Amino acid sequence: QSALTQPPSASGSPGQSATISCTGTSSDVGGYDYVSWYQQHPGKAPKLMIYEVSKRPSGVPDRFSGSKSGNTASLTVSGLQAEDEAEYYCSSYAGSNNLLFGGGTKLTVL
Amino acid sequence: EIQLVQSGAEVKKPGESLKISCQGSGYSFTTYWIGWVRQMPGKGLEWMGIVYPGDSDTRYSPSFQGQVTILVDKSTTTAYLQWSSLKASDTAIYYCVRHRGPRGTYYSEGFDPWGQGTLVTVSS
Repeated sequence: QSALTQPPSASGSPGQSATISCTGTSSDVGGYDYVSWYQQHPGKAPKLMIYEVSKRPSGVPDRFSGSKSGNTASLTVSGLQAEDEAEYYCSSYAGSNNLLFGGGTKLTVL
Repeated sequence: EIQLVQSGAEVKKPGESLKISCQGSGYSFTTYWIGWVRQMPGKGLEWMGIVYPGDSDTRYSPSFQGQVTILVDKSTTTAYLQWSSLKASDTAIYYCVRHRGPRGTYYSEGFDPWGQGTLVTVSS
């Protein structure tokens, strides 16, 4: 099964917002409310930012929010800060013992 | 503090076997799914599989079924990822991950925390 589709890059100025999309199919993103988002800084392990489409683990700033419409999920980072610059990956359950990740999006804070 | 601590970097030759480890601490090890994610050099994340330590129920991604074996030892709160015959294409960082929520499904609440990663290099 193919990876979920993310744009290679996204950007925004400090204080502004940036949105990253994650497109799948009705068999994964569209079929389940089990979309997660991860942040990965260079040389570090990924960190869970959003789970079950829009829930935030404790400790994740409320500047991070998630949503889903049809086969596309989105991560929005509001009030961009320099430390938000990182690679972001989406993930979705795809049934039949399979979890898919997106190809990753490099978020640049201009 | 909830932690997953992985074994150190490995350098192996094609055809050799390998088992890397991940020790969980700070939580009830037997009640959370624990699994593995691959990241090839400069590439994205790939889910490999997961095990429930309580009963050793193991699930594999179709892409990795038959290629690796996931094991668990409750007595030492350690999960393992094992290869019987490595290939150069197995060169990657391997992350140990824990499902965020206890029991239930392994795919609903995302993975948190992550181990620090184990770099496996396979080269002749």
